[in-house]
Amino acid sequence: GAGVSQSPSNKVTEKGKDVELRCDPISGHTALYWYRQRLGQGLEFLIYFQGNSAPDKSGLPSDRFSAERTGESVSTLTIQRTQQEDSAVYLCASSPAGSIQDTQYFGPGTRLTVL
Amino acid sequence: GNSVTQMEGPVTLSEEAFLTINCTYTATGYPSLFWYVQYPGEGLQLLLKATKADDKGSNKGFEATYRKETTSFHLEKGSVQVSDSAVYFCALPSGNTGKLIFGQGTTLQVKP
Repeated sequence: GAGVSQSPSNKVTEKGKDVELRCDPISGHTALYWYRQRLGQGLEFLIYFQGNSAPDKSGLPSDRFSAERTGESVSTLTIQRTQQEDSAVYLCASSPAGSIQDTQYFGPGTRLTVL
Repeated sequence: GNSVTQMEGPVTLSEEAFLTINCTYTATGYPSLFWYVQYPGEGLQLLLKATKADDKGSNKGFEATYRKETTSFHLEKGSVQVSDSAVYFCALPSGNTGKLIFGQGTTLQVKP
C-alpha cells in the first residue's frame, strides 16, 4: 500500500517568508508525528497528533512553528518568518495507534533551505 | 525523562567484517527500543525493534538484544556488506507517548 508522502520534496525560501509543508500519512493510522533533522544531527521531535486528542506541541522550537491535522488524514506544518536556523529536513511519520510499541513509518522528508 | 546515547561515527569497515554499534538508554519503565536506518538518498525506515527486556530484534542479518541489566541495545551484524552503508539511529519512546527520542546517528561505510 501507499506509504507516507510529503510535499514538497525540496523548498528554498528567503529569510522572513512563511512556508507550508504537507504530510499525507498511511491511511488508517491515527498517530502522526513531525520531526526535524538538521545536517549531521539526529532527529528532533516537533509535534504529535493522536486521533481527536489535543496535539502534543512540546517539541515546537518557537511560536513561529505551528501544525494542523484534518481528522486522521493530512497534516500541514507551517513555519512563519523563516530563519536560517530553520534549514533542515522535516520528516513526517505515522503509526497505527500511537502506542509506545508501534513502528513509525516515515515519509521521504521535505528539505527546507532558508537563504 | 528518557534518553539515548549512541556511539559516534563514522565507522568504516571492510566487507565481511563484524559490526557493533553501541546504544545505551535511560528510561522509566521498559519501553520498546528501535533501530532505524537511513540509506543514502532514502527515507528513514525501521531496521528492527524489541518490545521487552531480553527480546532480540533481528532483520537483514542485523541483531540487537534488549539488555535491562546494562540498559543497552547494541546493534550487531556478523558480516557487513557494501550495501549496509547507511546512517543508523537508535531510538526509544518518550514517556507514555509514541514520540521517539533518537540518538545522534552513526554513519557506517563499508568498503569492498
